[in-house]
Amino acid sequence: EPEVTQTPSHQVTQMGQEVILRCVPISNHLYFYWYRQILGQKVEFLVSFYNNEISEKSEIFDDQFSVERPDGSNFTLKIRSTKLEDSAMYFCASSFKPEQYFGPGTRLTVT
Amino acid sequence: GESVGLHLPTLSVQEGDNSIINCAYSNSASDYFIWYKQESGKGPQFIIDIRSNMDKRQGQRVTVLLNKTVKHLSLQIAATQPGDSAVYFCAVIEEDNYGQNFVFGPGTRLSVLP
Repeated sequence: EPEVTQTPSHQVTQMGQEVILRCVPISNHLYFYWYRQILGQKVEFLVSFYNNEISEKSEIFDDQFSVERPDGSNFTLKIRSTKLEDSAMYFCASSFKPEQYFGPGTRLTVT
Repeated sequence: GESVGLHLPTLSVQEGDNSIINCAYSNSASDYFIWYKQESGKGPQFIIDIRSNMDKRQGQRVTVLLNKTVKHLSLQIAATQPGDSAVYFCAVIEEDNYGQNFVFGPGTRLSVLP
């Protein structure tokens, strides 16, 4: 069964550093998403991406965040200058509508 | 904007009993709803969805009920099994031509007792 994959599974970084979280969505999907989940809290929408551009973004997705689909398979989330409060699980998801498939997540720890 | 809440953060049921998990939403224009299951250390897993033109949808051992009048969504799990232990949360989705805007509820932790 096809699945969304994410790398790395755990990323530790120092405050102020840039991180890139990587995702490989399911190959025939058209819509791509990033979410985050702070430990013990609910999943929060960050951004959706369709037709090579951002289609929706939340208030969390400020200028420190960016997304790219650099080739036909990868979908990346970059945080330019990480803050302590960026520590969370980051989930990538893809869909061909209606079902949305989530990856296993990357745990980002900012120290 | 949309806000999504849940009536009960934890739910314990006996194995074999039915479970009911609830969700309330605020935006009457929301047109699509999904229930997810999230096991510890894993990403959310799609369980069942329902569109706003329906009030009930059944899957394998799961039923989703949508009451648009009171903006309430529920997930019923029949004959709950130990493998059903997880956090369940609803997502309320507004769709347009460019994509879907998801708002997630906080989740209910279901514990299945032997």
